[in-house]
Amino acid sequence: KQEVTQIPAALSVPEGENLVLNCSFTDSAIYNLQWFRQDPGKGLTSLLLIQSSQREQTSGRLNASLDKSSGRSTLYIAASQPGDSATYLCALNYGGATNKLIFGTGTLLAVQP
Amino acid sequence: DTAVSQTPKYLVTQMGNDKSIKCEQNLGHDTMYWYKQDSKKFLKIMFSYNNKELIINETVPNRFSPKSPDKAHLNLHINSLELGDSAVYFCASSQLSGVGTTDTQYFGPGTRLTVL
Repeated sequence: KQEVTQIPAALSVPEGENLVLNCSFTDSAIYNLQWFRQDPGKGLTSLLLIQSSQREQTSGRLNASLDKSSGRSTLYIAASQPGDSATYLCALNYGGATNKLIFGTGTLLAVQP
Repeated sequence: DTAVSQTPKYLVTQMGNDKSIKCEQNLGHDTMYWYKQDSKKFLKIMFSYNNKELIINETVPNRFSPKSPDKAHLNLHINSLELGDSAVYFCASSQLSGVGTTDTQYFGPGTRLTVL
């Protein structure tokens, strides 16, 4: 069974801290992995996509890594800001032809000013 | 210039009614999806269409019927609504570049369905 778990479920940090969000998966035969953020009452915004052949992707203060052998991905946020407060979701794509995403349980991040 | 749009944003209705949610994308993508986010915020795929053809159909009650009149639109019709159908429904789209090569999925703002 393809399960995706995110730890911690919730995280509160003071502004300016660097932080790491974790995503673990049981089936490592993925095509790619996406990190999304979801603001309250809003849709999902794609942050980063890592193909299965890649180890990491970077965009601004965000860096996502992928280690298929251990079934883990991390999202690193540098110098956190209150505007980073949101729910962060990882999603795994196992079916390349269908692009079906299996979502993780999410991490609710609160950055305190 | 919204990329993926859904209507309505909120939908409140009585049990037993039939309702539809519409989705449109102007990104030129060939694949569209419906996801359901339950009260615990867990997101799960329901359907996917590629060039108007159904390619994913998860274990969803047959009261739910997607319809894709063209590749820019994917509507979701729900018959005989039940209390358990209350959730947020998200539409998404992407471009399939070939087997094993896929692009980012872009999501709509969601439709919050409340069944009373």
